[in-house]
Amino acid sequence: NAGVTQTPKFRILKIGQSMTLQCTQDMNHNYMYWYRQDPGMGLKLIYYSVGAGITDKGEVPNGYNVSRSTTEDFPLRLELAAPSQTSVYFCASSYGTGKSNQPQHFGDGTRLSIL
Amino acid sequence: GENVEQHPSTLSVQEGDSAVIKCTYSDSASNYFPWYKQELGKRPQLIIDIRSNVGEKKDQRIAVTLNKTAKHFSLHITETQPEDSAVYFCAASKGGSSYKLIFGSGTRLLVRP
Repeated sequence: NAGVTQTPKFRILKIGQSMTLQCTQDMNHNYMYWYRQDPGMGLKLIYYSVGAGITDKGEVPNGYNVSRSTTEDFPLRLELAAPSQTSVYFCASSYGTGKSNQPQHFGDGTRLSIL
Repeated sequence: GENVEQHPSTLSVQEGDSAVIKCTYSDSASNYFPWYKQELGKRPQLIIDIRSNVGEKKDQRIAVTLNKTAKHFSLHITETQPEDSAVYFCAASKGGSSYKLIFGSGTRLLVRP
């Protein structure tokens, strides 16, 4: 059971480039989330998904897109990288029952620098 | 929307002393309050959580208290050890259809040997 797996671990992009951060989980969790963590700060929710085919915006969605075609995968896309998107990106998943919160499990993160 | 404030931003204690971190939340509909520990360069890891129908929860040296009336909750670590040194984040969620977590800004805890 690998849990939540994120790739790549590190990436350097030039301004204006695009890339996809990959996230996959093997816990059969229906809920998945993307957060960004700027240096010395807390986590901000970018996008989330409550199931395959369903996505919604979080606190800081601008400049990002997501898709959820399967239960396991929740990729995050940056279309036109900007220096303000330099951050550590964490993917998380949880089991949602519709009745009560369940703990979110995090991946190891992707450290992204935009130069 | 929900806002979570966390204090202090840094906390230094002597090994063996207790540490207390406090958070306040703005949305009275919030009903789930987890605490995460994040070591340098690592993922956030859940250490304890509490739901709104409970006032206190303990797990060995860690405890969390919740005051729904005042809309604040606290993390208590007793008999601190150097390995407790990390950044601690509180969060709040009101469940519903998404269980989105709103995080506090974090507390850097340093336990001096």
